[in-house]
Amino acid sequence: EAGVTQFPSHSVIEKGQTVTLRCDPISGHDNLYWYRRVMGKEIKFLLHFVKESKQDESGMPNNRFLAERTGGTYSTLKVQPAELEDSGVYFCASSPHLGQGSYEQYFGPGTRLTVT
Amino acid sequence: QKEVEQDPGPLSVPEGAIVSLNCTYSNSAFQYFMWYRQYSRKGPELLMYTYSSGNKEDGRFTAQVDKSSKYISLFIRDSQPSDSATYLCAMSSNTGNQFYFGTGTSLTVIP
Repeated sequence: EAGVTQFPSHSVIEKGQTVTLRCDPISGHDNLYWYRRVMGKEIKFLLHFVKESKQDESGMPNNRFLAERTGGTYSTLKVQPAELEDSGVYFCASSPHLGQGSYEQYFGPGTRLTVT
Repeated sequence: QKEVEQDPGPLSVPEGAIVSLNCTYSNSAFQYFMWYRQYSRKGPELLMYTYSSGNKEDGRFTAQVDKSSKYISLFIRDSQPSDSATYLCAMSSNTGNQFYFGTGTSLTVIP
């Protein structure tokens, strides 16, 4: 079974540009999460989708970040315009269902974003 | 104050040693406790998860949760060079699915 995949693996952009990150969860997993790790800090929650609906977006830092999950399959996270402090590793995770099973979150390899 | 505290290490042990990794937390609502292993340039890989207090064993790995002390541990017996990685603790409450992570402990097992 394929795991969570993320694209691209690494992106270098200039301040003010736009970047779109993509996540493909494990097939059949309704729950999809985005996390971010800034250098030297812990991994922090950004938002949670249940199918195509945003369940919790309390971790989104500001309105420069837009996440979508059309059709309840893959998800995109767009940063527009990017700022220097947006640099970090963006992880996507998926989980099969809510309730006890949802605490098994399976992570992708991450997208390393560098804003210069 | 951070939700989860974890000593970043680095921790270096000889092959075959018993390794103890720990996290403390402040939120008494946490009920689910996870340990992830992360190799360099890879995503976190789920090792174990535990609900509420108690112990859970899986092969060479044992997870312990002491909710009264807000303290969790991961023990690795007969450590191997392949165990060299960063170990992350993560926690969640009953009402929310977001994870709260520690910063991770870097472990090196020397052959």
